[in-house]
Amino acid sequence: QQPVQSPQAVILREGEDAVINCSSSKALYSVHWYRQKHGEAPVFLMILLKGGEQKGHEKISASFNEKKQQSSLYLTASQLSYSGTYFCGTEKNSGYALNFGKGTSLLVTP
Amino acid sequence: NAGVTQTPKFQVLKTGQSMTLQCAQDMNHEYMSWYRQDPGMGLRLIHYSVGAGITDQGEVPNGYNVSRSTTEDFPLRLLSAAPSQTSVYFCASSPGAYYGYTFGSGTRLTVV
Repeated sequence: QQPVQSPQAVILREGEDAVINCSSSKALYSVHWYRQKHGEAPVFLMILLKGGEQKGHEKISASFNEKKQQSSLYLTASQLSYSGTYFCGTEKNSGYALNFGKGTSLLVTP
Repeated sequence: NAGVTQTPKFQVLKTGQSMTLQCAQDMNHEYMSWYRQDPGMGLRLIHYSVGAGITDQGEVPNGYNVSRSTTEDFPLRLLSAAPSQTSVYFCASSPGAYYGYTFGSGTRLTVV
């Protein structure tokens, strides 16, 4: 079952902040975040695990509320390079694949 | 280190034809998945595998078959192509739970 993302689209000016939300109706094992540029493949940003451990490699942060089965991606002081579509992916347990949301389109303008 | 390689990049099929989309990874990843991407629908899971010899269905498996005889390869077979299967197909792999997925560059398939 696909997680639900909000908002569907965001337009920012360079330097502004944004929050993208992801929620699931089922208990989650982990939440992944990916960014996809137009015409390219999705690229892994970070993973948040049940228990609070966070792994990632970009200057973008995220949170994971296990009780509410929700995650939020925080983009602060946005840069032009942040433009793209952001997807959250959820795992219900080890041994299962990711189910992705429909994505949030982010456009950062000068 | 090539990562995840998908072939072909583009393909046009006639309705009723069959074909195999190839996916290979050289990272010794256990988990592999196939997704289709359609405008406004996000990435929808077709089939996945958590190791050689193990496959399972995702949310949109009808009309597709997979097998995983080796760790490296995870081909997706379209049995009898239909216009509704026109889409961009992505293969992705991961070392396993706790790790992110690496995606291939995709195959753009058009069924006429």
